[in-house]
Amino acid sequence: DTEVTQTPKHLVMGMTNKKSLKCEQHMGHRAMYWYKQKAKKPPELMFVYSYEKLSINESVPSRFSPECPNSSLLNLHLHALQPEDSALYLCASSQVDALASTDTQYFGPGTRLTVL
Amino acid sequence: QKEVEQNSGPLSVPEGAIASLNCTYSDRGSQSFFWYRQYSGKSPELIMSIYSNGDKEDGRFTAQLNKASQYVSLLIRDSQPSDSATYLCAAGGGKLQFGAGTQVVVTP
Repeated sequence: DTEVTQTPKHLVMGMTNKKSLKCEQHMGHRAMYWYKQKAKKPPELMFVYSYEKLSINESVPSRFSPECPNSSLLNLHLHALQPEDSALYLCASSQVDALASTDTQYFGPGTRLTVL
Repeated sequence: QKEVEQNSGPLSVPEGAIASLNCTYSDRGSQSFFWYRQYSGKSPELIMSIYSNGDKEDGRFTAQLNKASQYVSLLIRDSQPSDSATYLCAAGGGKLQFGAGTQVVVTP
């Protein structure tokens, strides 16, 4: 089973709203990732959690706040977003370690975010 | 700066033909390579991983790796309209580095 789930599938929010994206995996993976993908571009890494600790923050603006409550769950809290933050937000997980040379990342279905 | 390069396409392939996708990478330290398929509006789906020089086959897909030339390729045999998608090449060994993707269009 290589399933990563994400909710919601679609989200529309205003610039003053606070919302959260959720990601869950039950594969026993210990590394989880948030990516942002704009149209016709590859996924762009935002955050990496390894063993429930934040290991990589790719200089993401503070209006994005990640949280890893346990090894199966990953949240992305959104506040005061801008229209240019509209994108497909992807969660991924991998088995062992975010920087392991052969670790395979499996992606969830994504959340399509629109900021008005 | 680690880079992964792919031709953006579109690569037009007649149904039943072989689609050949190419990818080069700049970091000689990369040890793992992945091909993801992404349909429009959907998330990337892993179709192949390869770690050693040579060929790896899985159904209609064959990945080829040449570390000396820093080159990875993907062959899709007997291409079907359902293979029409963007194919992302990625290099591991640290953070995953993605290429820009190659759009493949299989024409009936």
